[in-house]
Amino acid sequence: AIQMTQSPSSLSAFVGDRVIITCRASQGIRNDLAWYQQKPGKAPKLLIYAAYSLESGVPSRFSGSGSGTDFTLTISSLQPEDFATYYCLQDYSYPWTFGQGTKVEI
Amino acid sequence: EVQLVESGGGLVKPGGSLRLSCEASGFTFSSYTMNWVRQAPGRGLEWVSSISSSGNYIYYGDSVKGRFTISRDNAKNSLSLQLNSLRAEDTAVYYCARDWGTIDYWGQGTLVTVS
Repeated sequence: AIQMTQSPSSLSAFVGDRVIITCRASQGIRNDLAWYQQKPGKAPKLLIYAAYSLESGVPSRFSGSGSGTDFTLTISSLQPEDFATYYCLQDYSYPWTFGQGTKVEI
Repeated sequence: EVQLVESGGGLVKPGGSLRLSCEASGFTFSSYTMNWVRQAPGRGLEWVSSISSSGNYIYYGDSVKGRFTISRDNAKNSLSLQLNSLRAEDTAVYYCARDWGTIDYWGQGTLVTVS
C-alpha cells in the first residue's frame, strides 16, 4: 500500500498567517491527491482535488500544488474558521490511504 | 442537494456482527462509485472499502479484508457494509462517501463500538 506521510502533525498559527502543510507519497501518484478539512464532530469536507483543483465553494485562500510524490496545501491568510484538522488522500491506487492529519490550532 | 444518511451503528461484542446502511439522495446513485471510510475515536481517517457504480469492482483495506463485505442496491439508492468478526480496533465512526474519482461528499457517520 502507498504510504502518505503528512507534516507537521500539528501547528500553531495566528489569524492572517500563511500556513503550509505537506504530504509525501511513498511512490509516485501522479496528481491523484485530495485535501480535506475536518472540524470536531463533523464529516470531512473536500477542499482540493487532483492536487491543485479547488472544489466549488471553497475560498481561494486555499491552494494545492505538487505532483509525483510531494504535495502541499497552502492557506494564504488563515481565518478563524480555518482552525481544523487537514488530511491528504491518495486516490491513485487501492487501497486508498490518508495522511495522518495536521491539526491547525491558534 | 446530495444527502448520505448512515444507520445501523451500535454496541456489539467482540466477534459479533453488524450491518451498516447508507441511504443516498439528491444525485443519480447508480452512476457513482461509493466508499466507506472510518475514523476511530481521536484518530485519523482510514479508507475501508469501495464499490463501483455497477457493483462489479470491489476493494477492501487490508485491515478489514475477509471480515467486511460491501454491497449496493441501485434500485433502492442504498449502500451497505456487513461487518463480521468484529474486534475492539474496529470501533469507529463509519462514513458513507460518494466518489467520482475522489471522495466529494460524506454522510454524517454512524458510530460502531466493539466492547
